[in-house]
Amino acid sequence: SHVLTQPPSVSVAPGQTARITCGGNNIGSKIVHWYQQEPGRAPVLVVYDDGDRPSGIPERFSGSNSGNTATLTINRVEAGDEADYYCQVWDFSDDHLVVFGGGTKLTVL
Amino acid sequence: EVQLAQSGAEVKKPGESLRISCKASGYSFASHWITWVRQMPGKGLEWMGKINPSDSDKNYSPTFQGRVTFSVDRSLNTAYMQWSSLKASDTAMYYCARVSETDYDDVFDYWGQGTLVFVSS
Repeated sequence: SHVLTQPPSVSVAPGQTARITCGGNNIGSKIVHWYQQEPGRAPVLVVYDDGDRPSGIPERFSGSNSGNTATLTINRVEAGDEADYYCQVWDFSDDHLVVFGGGTKLTVL
Repeated sequence: EVQLAQSGAEVKKPGESLRISCKASGYSFASHWITWVRQMPGKGLEWMGKINPSDSDKNYSPTFQGRVTFSVDRSLNTAYMQWSSLKASDTAMYYCARVSETDYDDVFDYWGQGTLVFVSS
């Protein structure tokens, strides 16, 4: 099945830009979704279909996907963005399985 | 408002059985698959599988095939996941989520609050 690799942690100062990567073999050929999980809370969908935002998600959140890397970008980072972030794809080559990345802890300095 | 309300925390012993629930409201229950996700303490998200409430069609991750069973009660708008014999390694938070179609793919757009299962002798 497809393996998605995320950095364990990313740190950024408030107001700066955070970029969280999700690496996978030819991931650009797949559709990537991103979930935010604040401590003690359930995950929340923040970006879908590589770069679209659900209603209610700030425009500061965006995504891109090409080649072997998908990226979640958070502009003008706020303290409230501190959370774990997970990328996710469907691996239709493997009986329609869902694959999550290992997660990235975003720390706002 | 779409909501998925999960049953409360459980403390069980190894070998015991358990069924946890996920009650949907605010949308047509039969129109969206329900998926289940495990999160072991301090770890990431693991997809367990999904069930179609309209016909009970199921798809299990190989990791969980044979370990859990999904079911639904359409009259109660509720999805269930059950174990026949728990192990200590089943200790985790379990989330249900609604599956929705986008223009290109399926996403988990609404999540339950999670059910904590603790298994210990």
